[in-house]
Amino acid sequence: DAKTTQPNSMESNEEEPVHLPCNHSTISGTDYIHWYRQLPSQGPEYVIHGLTSNVNNRMASLAIAEDRKSSTLILHRATLRDAAVYYCILRDTGNQGGKLIFGQGTELSVKP
Amino acid sequence: EAGVAQSPRYKIIEKRQSVAFWCNPISGHATLYWYQQILGQGPKLLIQFQNNGVVDDSQLPKDRFSAERLKGVDSTLKIQPAKLEDSAVYLCASSLTPGVNTEAFFGQGTRLTVV
Repeated sequence: DAKTTQPNSMESNEEEPVHLPCNHSTISGTDYIHWYRQLPSQGPEYVIHGLTSNVNNRMASLAIAEDRKSSTLILHRATLRDAAVYYCILRDTGNQGGKLIFGQGTELSVKP
Repeated sequence: EAGVAQSPRYKIIEKRQSVAFWCNPISGHATLYWYQQILGQGPKLLIQFQNNGVVDDSQLPKDRFSAERLKGVDSTLKIQPAKLEDSAVYLCASSLTPGVNTEAFFGQGTRLTVV
């Protein structure tokens, strides 16, 4: 499974944008980039995913580099409820079942 | 829509005892996952089912862990005998299909403490 690298932790101020980076230099052409987050004492929850183009949904935006070797999850206005561990995951279309393999993630703290 | 249900929420057992966790996925979801999450780490995939067949169990310690998915719906994960290092949160997740374009929905997990 292709590997991702994320900073261990990041801090943000409430109501400011947050850019969470993810490096995946060994990404293959069939890998989708997924982001999940895990709030304290909860199971992970899906945030967003994409293949090549930038993606937007009600929770966040995903910016994917042109060479696909990195991506950035963007929270447009951080709230205290966005404090969580954010996981960047590669899912391979060529792998039966598209395994969901988590790394260490980035722990985001949001200051009021 | 009801989410992924897991029970119990908490369990404390002594080492060498056995324990079982139960998961009821979202109705109609063909793919079911079990994860183990040790404190401070990301979830580790133990086993993945597609309907009632196993897709991947390469990370499941088969000498003590077993899992089954009854009629392609509910699933149980068992540990026998438990060790201290099995203390963790056990998460169940399901998705409509195994495809990479689908999202997985997670339950709240079962926190196991082995003493």
